[in-house]
Amino acid sequence: EPEVTQTPSHQVTQMGQEVILRCVPISNHLYFYWYRQILGQKVEFLVSFYNNEISEKSEIFDDQFSVERPDGSNFTLKIRSTKLEDSAMYFCASSEVHANTEAFFGQGTRLTVV
Amino acid sequence: AQRVTQPEKLLSVFKGAPVELKCNYSYSGSPELFWYVQYSRQRLQLLLRHISRESIKGFTADLNKGETSFHLKKPFAQEEDSAMYYCALTLTGANNLFFGTGTRLTVIP
Repeated sequence: EPEVTQTPSHQVTQMGQEVILRCVPISNHLYFYWYRQILGQKVEFLVSFYNNEISEKSEIFDDQFSVERPDGSNFTLKIRSTKLEDSAMYFCASSEVHANTEAFFGQGTRLTVV
Repeated sequence: AQRVTQPEKLLSVFKGAPVELKCNYSYSGSPELFWYVQYSRQRLQLLLRHISRESIKGFTADLNKGETSFHLKKPFAQEEDSAMYYCALTLTGANNLFFGTGTRLTVIP
């Protein structure tokens, strides 16, 4: 069964450093998403991506964040200058159509900013 | 603004007992509601959505617009139902999901 794959599973970085989280969505899916979950809190929407551009973004997704689909298969989330409060589990998801259909989630990347 | 509330962080029931996980939402329009589940060491996955009106793994959920609720129910809980359950909402045509804080269900053998 096809699934969304995220790498790495765990990333530790120093405050102020840039990080790139990688995701390979399911191949025939058209919509891609990033969510995050700070420990003990709810899963929060960051951004959705369709047709090579951002479709929607939340207030969390400020200028420090960017997304890209550089090669038609990978979908990346970049955080330019990490802060301690960026420590969270980051989930990538994809869906065949829009979010009203089933979103398939990756296993997550745990980002720890020290 | 849209909001999803799951009032119980933890819920424990005995095997074979009925289970109900509560979800209330606030939104002035017509949202679409989902239940996602995360079993131990597994990824978040869709359990069911209100537009499908289906029963998955014995679970059902009915959208009650009057009470703005979408409670998840199962008449006889099984041990394998132990998991984290998230209620989620999206708006028609939107490309994001708003999640509740989740309820951890433990089914006691």
